[in-house]
Amino acid sequence: GDSVTQMEGPVTLSEEAFLTINCTYTATGYPSLFWYVQYPGEGLQLLLKATKADDKGSNKGFEATYRKETTSFHLEKGSVQVSDSAVYFCALAGSRLTFGEGTQLTVNP
Amino acid sequence: EAGVAQSPRYKIIEKRQSVAFWCNPISGHATLYWYQQILGQGPKLLIQFQNNGVVDDSQLPKDRFSAERLKGVDSTLKIQPAKLEDSAVYLCASTPGGFDYGYTFGSGTRLTVV
Repeated sequence: GDSVTQMEGPVTLSEEAFLTINCTYTATGYPSLFWYVQYPGEGLQLLLKATKADDKGSNKGFEATYRKETTSFHLEKGSVQVSDSAVYFCALAGSRLTFGEGTQLTVNP
Repeated sequence: EAGVAQSPRYKIIEKRQSVAFWCNPISGHATLYWYQQILGQGPKLLIQFQNNGVVDDSQLPKDRFSAERLKGVDSTLKIQPAKLEDSAVYLCASTPGGFDYGYTFGSGTRLTVV
């Protein structure tokens, strides 16, 4: 069945550091891929998405590229801010929307 | 546009009691989902509705969980009787169509079973 594997957290960075959160998936076909963010005490928010191979999703300085050859969708940001502290979930849309376990990011000033 | 509304925001019950959660999706969204998010884990789909019909309930523990979506709008999720392992955040989401649309999630109901 479909599955999503995210890098284990938590991840702690200093402000303005470069961020990478790894995500790989297993699925039949070519599902759409998503990154969701969950700020403390809030619901999940769609951060970005990509619907086909080589697509790049981007939003709020975050980027992720749909890599079919490596079945990956890694999330990157060039310079993180304290306000980016949250839990990030990678997800794929197969027969259902399947989420990874989430990666807790803490950015210190 | 109003978001997905859920209530209550928090609920504490004793094991073996019953509890119900309510969700009002975004107006016009045909598809509604209930997810269970256990602390430290990703959300897991419990049930998917398309209008007022069930599309996928394969991961719903039907011996204790039930859900309905009358008139294809609001939805309720019920647990009876609750177990300690049901402690989680229950998220409702809606989309106008299929999987490729970004889901809009509600803030969730945090259930604690003691």
